[in-house]
Amino acid sequence: DAKTTQPPSMDCAEGRAANLPCNHSTISGNEYVYWYRQIHSQGPQYIIHGLKNNETNEMASLIITEDRKSSTLILPHATLRDTAVYYCIVRSTGNQFYFGTGTSLTVIP
Amino acid sequence: KAGVTQTPRYLIKTRGQQVTLSCSPISGHRSVSWYQQTPGQGLQFLFEYFSETQRNKGNFPGRFSGRQFSNSRSEMNVSTLELGDSALYLCASSLMAGAGNEQFFGPGTRLTVL
Repeated sequence: DAKTTQPPSMDCAEGRAANLPCNHSTISGNEYVYWYRQIHSQGPQYIIHGLKNNETNEMASLIITEDRKSSTLILPHATLRDTAVYYCIVRSTGNQFYFGTGTSLTVIP
Repeated sequence: KAGVTQTPRYLIKTRGQQVTLSCSPISGHRSVSWYQQTPGQGLQFLFEYFSETQRNKGNFPGRFSGRQFSNSRSEMNVSTLELGDSALYLCASSLMAGAGNEQFFGPGTRLTVL
């Protein structure tokens, strides 16, 4: 599975959009981009995933660049409860995830 | 629909003992994966089971083993516990195996080895 690179930490004002970047320059054609978050040692929570096209669900939007070498997770209106560690994962045919160190997002009131 | 459940939630053992952790996947899910999370190493993949067969295995010693039952419930066992085995053990289930299937994680079992 391709390696991902994320900034270690970010801040976002409450109510504003949080844009979390992820680089995955070695991604191959059959690898999906997944985003999970983990709040204070709870189990990771699934957010969204995509292969080539941009995706949106009730939690977030995922923007994948045309060359698929990077992506951005967008939380449209961040709340205090969105404070968590966000993991960007690139995953191929195997079912296992390889988690990096993630981005610690702090939403500031 | 109930989520992934793990039992017990907390466990304290001493070095040399063995431990068995249990995971019940979401109803209808046939794939179960196990992960170890520690402050130093982060989240690391242990193994994955699908239809009672181990499909993938991470880089852990043979003291770590697992199995899956016909109802998709899974157990993992750690023998001859070491202090370094203290961690949060997470189980995740997905409907099928394969990269397009999202995994749903349980709350974890926190194991402390004294």
